[in-house]
Amino acid sequence: SAVISQKPSRDICQRGTSLTIQCQVDSQVTMMFWYRQQPGQSLTLIATANQGSEATYESGFVIDKFPISRPNLTFSTLTVSNMSPEDSSIYLCSVGSFRGQGMGTDTQYFGPGTRLTVL
Amino acid sequence: LAKTTQPISMDSYEGQEVNITCSHNNIATNDYITWYQQFPSQGPRFIIQGYKTKVTNEVASLFIPADRKSSTLSLPRVSLSDTAVYYCLVGDLNTPLVFGKGTRLSVIA
Repeated sequence: SAVISQKPSRDICQRGTSLTIQCQVDSQVTMMFWYRQQPGQSLTLIATANQGSEATYESGFVIDKFPISRPNLTFSTLTVSNMSPEDSSIYLCSVGSFRGQGMGTDTQYFGPGTRLTVL
Repeated sequence: LAKTTQPISMDSYEGQEVNITCSHNNIATNDYITWYQQFPSQGPRFIIQGYKTKVTNEVASLFIPADRKSSTLSLPRVSLSDTAVYYCLVGDLNTPLVFGKGTRLSVIA
């Protein structure tokens, strides 16, 4: 399975500011995903980030609010822009092991998450 | 995407077998069934995946009937450390996972 790390693990930010979350994977992967998990809730997919192409955002999420970079096959960043208290959540990076990539069972692996609190 | 329905919560005593059933009536031909476990303040962890019949690994078993409209995750002899949220997901392996509400399992001593 892939080993995924995220930085920072947690942060407390003031409203109106922006935070960039980094996701590092120990192997090259084609597909990376960003999820949000609000307190007490399930995970919600924000966007799919494939290397060499623009990120694809899910309904309710826009690039201006959550810009994503994917400069190579092992790294991605998610920025939460112009934050408000409603953005307080855990943000999780995930990588896909899909057919042909040889990571074992075809599925997704998740990072430990970044806990964001906006005051 | 096939919608899944699973109990919101379950309680069990240590040492018992726990079976969590998930309903997915609209499962498509290309869909697989995958179960994840999530502890507080951690990312979800893959438990088991199957397409049909029975799958078993060192952690759990997954039972899928012939019509594939439901599946049952079986955890043998649970311990306190199995207290977590368990998610049933159904989807084509070429698309990202979409999470439902999950089942909160509480294991009691």
